[in-house]
Amino acid sequence: GESVGLHLPTLSVQEGDNSIINCAYSNSASDYFIWYKQESGKGPQFIIDIRSNMDKRQGQRVTVLLNKTVKHLSLQIAATQPGDSAVYFCAEKISGGYNKLIFGAGTRLAVHP
Amino acid sequence: EPEVTQTPSHQVTQMGQEVILRCVPISNHLYFYWYRQILGQKVEFLVSFYNNEISEKSEIFDDQFSVERPDGSNFTLKIRSTKLEDSAMYFCARGTSGPNEQFFGPGTRLTVL
Repeated sequence: GESVGLHLPTLSVQEGDNSIINCAYSNSASDYFIWYKQESGKGPQFIIDIRSNMDKRQGQRVTVLLNKTVKHLSLQIAATQPGDSAVYFCAEKISGGYNKLIFGAGTRLAVHP
Repeated sequence: EPEVTQTPSHQVTQMGQEVILRCVPISNHLYFYWYRQILGQKVEFLVSFYNNEISEKSEIFDDQFSVERPDGSNFTLKIRSTKLEDSAMYFCARGTSGPNEQFFGPGTRLTVL
C-alpha cells in the first residue's frame, strides 16, 4: 500500500503569547537532548540542548525542561513571533552510543498575528 | 558556528543509478553524520563517521550505501543502485570538538524516478 507521512500535531498561538512544545522520549538511558527547529525546505536548526544531569536550561527566549522520571522534554518559547513558525523536533542521544540522534515525530508551531 | 554546505541541492536520478551526495565542512571537524528525512516524516539516522571511520550505522544503511572522506575535506554519501524509496532529503551534520552537538547542513533533495 501507499505509505503516508506522519500527521504532525499542530500548536497554534497568537503572536506575543508563550508557546510550550512537548516531547516524550523513548529511552531512559538517553543522556543528552536537543531541540531543533525546521523551516520548510531547510535543514534542522539547533535551538538549545540539555544534559540529563540538568532539569532546566535557558537560552534567549527559549527554555528547555527535562523530567527524567516521566521521560518528558518541553520547549518553552517566550513572546512567540511569526518567525518562530516551523516544525520543532526533539532529539535524544543514548548514553555510550556513538552520538546517533533519535528524533521525535515533530510538532508544527503556527504563529498567528 | 557555521554549519556545512551540501551539494547538489537537488538531485534527480533514475532508479538503479548511482548517486553521490557531498558535504563540505566549513572548518576542520572530526565528527560527521548523515541523516535522511522522507517527505513529511521524521529525521532518521543513517551513519556516523569519526576520524575517517564509520563509528555507527543504522539498519537503513545497508550495502547500497557507503561513506568516505576521499580528500580529507569533502564527506560523501554514495548510494550504489538507487530505489524509489531512497527519495528523501539527505542531511549532513557535523559535530564540534565535543561529540554531542550536531549542526545540520541545508540538505540534498534526492528524487528517484
